[in-house]
Amino acid sequence: EAQVTQNPRYLITVTGKKLTVTCSQNMNHEYMSWYRQDPGLGLRQIYYSMNVEVTDKGDVPEGYKVSRKEKRNFPLILESPSPNQTSLYFCASSLGQGSYNSPLHFGNGTRLTVT
Amino acid sequence: GNSVTQMEGPVTLSEEAFLTINCTYTATGYPSLFWYVQYPGEGLQLLLKATKADDKGSNKGFEATYRKETTSFHLEKGSVQVSDSAVYFCALSDRSGSQGNLIFGKGTKLSVKP
Repeated sequence: EAQVTQNPRYLITVTGKKLTVTCSQNMNHEYMSWYRQDPGLGLRQIYYSMNVEVTDKGDVPEGYKVSRKEKRNFPLILESPSPNQTSLYFCASSLGQGSYNSPLHFGNGTRLTVT
Repeated sequence: GNSVTQMEGPVTLSEEAFLTINCTYTATGYPSLFWYVQYPGEGLQLLLKATKADDKGSNKGFEATYRKETTSFHLEKGSVQVSDSAVYFCALSDRSGSQGNLIFGKGTKLSVKP
């Protein structure tokens, strides 16, 4: 089954404790992206990747890192999480160089709480 | 810059009622337009899309027409069901954008009562 898999689904952590949210897709998609979803703000892009070893900042990259060593994986790293990073995070992927004609496929989300 | 504005929610309807969720956009060039739906506890999934002016996207009884003259892409359904309860996001993607990013509206929550 074609899918985008994120782990974990839920995560509660404390300020400053490094964490990684994993994302993997099995569709051989070139484009991958991370979004955060907050009430009243909709979805905002954090980072995206056009292909292996190619990553770039989205609209709200501060406090996050990503890597794209393999085509299928695109982990999101929070080196020193802070409470303002409490949010619902989505990984997404699509064929080709982005979403102009190719729909984004989303994972089921990771709800992160930083205390 | 590019932006999407959609009507504030929540929207509460009775089953079989007519649904309209308004969406307008601002974009340079010729964007593609999308509606995504998010069911409770799930990620977003594409509902329908239109890639050029006057195109009509349709799926699962939902329709939206790309209106360049009014820069709009309103979502409509003639008869909603309880199972349509979800959050709906209007989005655009600009062909000239290097990010390949989707710009999302803030979402409209729809609740359908039996």
